[in-house]
Amino acid sequence: DSGVTQTPKHLITATGQRVTLRCSPRSGDLSVYWYQQSLDQGLQFLIQYYNGEERAKGNILERFSAQQFPDLHSELNLSSLELGDSALYFCASTPGENYGYTFGSGTRLTVV
Amino acid sequence: AQSVTQPDIHITVSEGASLELRCNYSYGATPYLFWYVQSPGQGLQLLLKYFSGDTLVQGIKGFEAEFKRSQSSFNLRKPSVHWSDAAEYFCAVGESHGGATNKLIFGTGTLLAVQP
Repeated sequence: DSGVTQTPKHLITATGQRVTLRCSPRSGDLSVYWYQQSLDQGLQFLIQYYNGEERAKGNILERFSAQQFPDLHSELNLSSLELGDSALYFCASTPGENYGYTFGSGTRLTVV
Repeated sequence: AQSVTQPDIHITVSEGASLELRCNYSYGATPYLFWYVQSPGQGLQLLLKYFSGDTLVQGIKGFEAEFKRSQSSFNLRKPSVHWSDAAEYFCAVGESHGGATNKLIFGTGTLLAVQP
């Protein structure tokens, strides 16, 4: 157990639907990163939050959004889902603005 | 922009043999470099990292990596591979923007198979 908890572990949904992925960072970690892992794109950085504020955006689609709550957990919202959104979505946390990433075990999203 | 290249998509070694996984990076300044391992159905686990100083870095599970600035490389090595080392290995470089962001740029990964 890495200390970073992601739920759900698996999610199957239909095209056009909306889902929410949840990440609870390791205790004390202020920064949360979201990554998408797919066969064709590999591991892609989506977005980072630090202590509730958005800090950086990567290759995140406009249909996707995220937030970090006062208790530091984060949610990634994916809407108008397409088949190509099927992927593993990881979150990682760090204590601050450093590189000590701890990854969760991921949410596998399948869009049918 | 920073980038990471892992030229070997798939490698097979025999148990007990030595291992070297290649990683080349593109970055203007001194890079922050990492190796992660991903077992099937699992998240990514940090094996080792290089920030500065000694160019030979020791990690967990008996792995080490050597930073070679002249070759823009950060190859991962292990003297004797165990069957449990079969997994996918990712090299990554840290991208910072004035210290405000520390996102990682990952290579495409190398899938390691271990033969008995």
